Amino acid sequence: DAGVIQSPRHEVTEMGQEVTLRCKPISGHNSLFWYRQTMMRGLELLIYFNNNVPIDDSGMPEDRFSAKMPNASFSTLKIQPSEPRDSAVYFCASSSGGNSYEQYFGPGTRLTVT
Amino acid sequence: AQSVTQLDSQVPVFEEAPVELRCNYSSSVSVYLFWYVQYPNQGLQLLLKYLSGSTLVKGINGFEAEFNKSQTSFHLRKPSVHISDTAEYFCAVRPGGSYIPTFGRGTSLIVHP
Repeated sequence: DAGVIQSPRHEVTEMGQEVTLRCKPISGHNSLFWYRQTMMRGLELLIYFNNNVPIDDSGMPEDRFSAKMPNASFSTLKIQPSEPRDSAVYFCASSSGGNSYEQYFGPGTRLTVT
Repeated sequence: AQSVTQLDSQVPVFEEAPVELRCNYSSSVSVYLFWYVQYPNQGLQLLLKYLSGSTLVKGINGFEAEFNKSQTSFHLRKPSVHISDTAEYFCAVRPGGSYIPTFGRGTSLIVHP
């Protein structure tokens, strides 16, 4: 399997622009997580989907952030409008059912908002 | 709410020396425990996990961890580190019945030649 795929790997944008990050989870995995990693705050969970349904979005910072999972093989995280404080590395992770629930992380998208 | 404390933000060590990275968690109810490693510019990868059974768990790259329920700890150890072990290490705890793990802030392991 190719693992979790994220695109783009790097994104540089200007403040106020819309940013869309994409994720393809591992085939057969039914849980998907979006995380944000910064030096200041560490690894933060933004949103968790199970079977394509958002279960916990309490970590989404504000209304500028939105996430969708239209099908089992694709998810997006959108920031509109973007701000410099959104600069971070955004990770997507997926996991399968069963007791282990270990997560498989993608390589991340490094977002820089100027 | 569950919390995870990694007591050391940075651990410098010389090559071939032993190392221990500490992890404590807040809740003593049924938990699943994980250690992940993050190499520069990469995502996190699973090193090892404790689900049940033997409290000593062996993982990849020669790492092992011991689950101590009474001390609510899950410390990671390696008897002899290599330069290539330089990375960020994250402890994660998932309460039984929850799909969502809580991650620690990470410990940066720096191996010097």
